[in-house]
Parts: sequence; C-alpha cells; structure tokens
Amino acid sequence: DIVMTQSPDSLAVSLGERATINCKSSQSVFKSSKNKHNLAWYQQKPGQPPKLLIYWASTRESGVPDRFSGSGSGTDFTLTISSLQAEDVAVYYCQHYLDSPPIFGEGTKVEIK
Amino acid sequence: EVQLVESGGDLVQPGESLRLSCAASGFTFSTYDMHWVRQTAGKGLEWVSAIGTAGDTHYPGSVKGRFTISRDNDKNFLYLQMNSLRAGDTAVYYCVRGPRGDNYGTFDYWGQGTLVTVSS
Repeated sequence: DIVMTQSPDSLAVSLGERATINCKSSQSVFKSSKNKHNLAWYQQKPGQPPKLLIYWASTRESGVPDRFSGSGSGTDFTLTISSLQAEDVAVYYCQHYLDSPPIFGEGTKVEIK
Repeated sequence: EVQLVESGGDLVQPGESLRLSCAASGFTFSTYDMHWVRQTAGKGLEWVSAIGTAGDTHYPGSVKGRFTISRDNDKNFLYLQMNSLRAGDTAVYYCVRGPRGDNYGTFDYWGQGTLVTVSS
C-alpha cells in the first residue's frame, strides 16, 4: 500500500497569513492515462465530516474559495491557504486515489496564532 | 441536496456483529459508487469498503472476510455488515459517495457518521 505522510502535525498561523501543509507519498501517484496526479485534499472542521477541497493535486472542488490551492508532483504535494481566515481552522488531510486501497495522510491541524 | 444519514452504531462486545445503514437522498443513488470510511482518534481516516454500481465490492485487508458492504437501489440504502468485531474497529463510520466526474476516486459527500464502540 502507498503510505501518505503529512507535515507538520500542526501549525499556528496569524489571520491573513499563509499556511502551508505538506504531503508525501511513498511512491508516485501520477496516473499516466490521465496525465494527472491522483491526490486529493480534505478539510475537517470540529464536529463535522471531511469536505473535499482539491483533487488532481491542484483542481479546486466547486465552491471552494480560491485562497486554497494545491501544488506538487510525483511524490511531494502542498496545500496552501494564502490568507488564513478564522473559518479555516480545521484538520486537513491528503489522500491518494491512484489504486486500491485509497489511503489518507494522518492530518495536519491548523490553528490561529 | 445530497444527504447521507447513517444509523446502527452501538456499543458491542468483541466478537459480536453489527449492521450499519445509510439512507441516501438528493441524487440518483444507483448510478454512484458508494463507500464506508471510518475515523479513529489513533489511526485517522481509513477506507473500509466500496461497492460499485454493478454491485462489485472491494475491501482493504484489515476488514476483508469480516465486513460486507451491500446496497438496495430500490430503497436508496447502503449497508455495512460487520462481523467478528474487534477493539480496533472502534470508530466513527461514515457513509460516503464516490463521484463520477473528473474527481472520480475521491469522496465528495459524507454523512455525519455513526459511532461503533467495541469493548467488553
């Protein structure tokens, strides 16, 4: 199984500042038939289920604010919140969907400094 | 509006069985793959089963042979039969939809979850 490793475990960022979360896969999650990376990001706010933010490593799901962006390739990926808002306090997870089983990272908790 | 409502979570003893249900509404249930994903405090999010539109099923090694996913397309229900439960199966279980479009392979709608506790 592909292992997904996120860093840091948690970070505290001031309102309006940039938050950066990293995700590393144990092998490439590039889908050659699609020429895309099968990597998704989710946001889970306290007491709520996860919400899909980004797929194909960098495509925002409909309705997701453009302050959220995804980047990366091969085995190294990043979720960036360009200007942190109070409502962005949550745990963020990456997930590969290259093959079965789909695996999630351990999560990164984002808090306000 | 897509809605997924789980039920059936309970406190059970090790070795016992439990059946979870998920009522789906707001979309054409029969045309979507469906999944169960669980969340524990220690291991985070773990995919535990999938069922395709043709009824094909898939499981990770951790639950294969113990869990069975099924669906009733007439009633718009998803089920998870869990047998030989272990303490490590203690988790919140989410009913999750698998999208059909460009984001196929991700999980686009989640229920609120139902808590399963396995303890003596």
